[in-house]
Amino acid sequence: EDKVVQSPLSLVVHEGDTVTLNCSYEVTNFRSLLWYKQEKKAPTFLFMLTSSGIEKKSGRLSSILDKKELFSILNITATQTGDSAIYLCAVVWNNDMRFGAGTRLTVKP
Amino acid sequence: DAGVTQSPTHLIKTRGQQVTLRCSPISGHKSVSWYQQVLGQGPQFIFQYYEKEERGRGNFPDRFSARQFPNYSSELNVNALLLGDSALYLCASSFTQGFAEAFFGQGTRLTVV
Repeated sequence: EDKVVQSPLSLVVHEGDTVTLNCSYEVTNFRSLLWYKQEKKAPTFLFMLTSSGIEKKSGRLSSILDKKELFSILNITATQTGDSAIYLCAVVWNNDMRFGAGTRLTVKP
Repeated sequence: DAGVTQSPTHLIKTRGQQVTLRCSPISGHKSVSWYQQVLGQGPQFIFQYYEKEERGRGNFPDRFSARQFPNYSSELNVNALLLGDSALYLCASSFTQGFAEAFFGQGTRLTVV
């Protein structure tokens, strides 16, 4: 069965720490992997990854995909309290899309 | 520019009733997707429409249906509501078909009692 698994499910860090969030998947006919940040209701788009080994960066956030080992990581450096949110990974294949359960990140001052 | 707008924001329905949720995409976006998010879980894909045609469907029963209008807005209908249909229903729009860089609305919180 196709599935997307995120780890850890929750994480508590202090401001300034670096965090790594994981997303592994098992799907047929993989097309892309997306990362979203969900603070209240509407998830906001972070990255779309389609090729292995190419790092995408946006400020303190970066992400990379490994299509051989079927996983992606999202790194956040120098975390701030505003990074507190649920981070969702989603995998697209054919005309379907599946989200993981998310990682709840809490950044303490 | 307005983002993706959804209405209503909150809704309470009784088991067995029917509900219609509405979504207006970002101007110029031709694709609309619907998701159900139960508390504590990631969103689950329900439908995707592009150019008024269904282009993708998740694993949901036939009680769920949707359509897209000529102005690219969309409605999601759920018949014979069950308690388990209580969730946040999210709509997302994108310029092209597919799921790339979709922008989400704030959702409709549906409570079935």
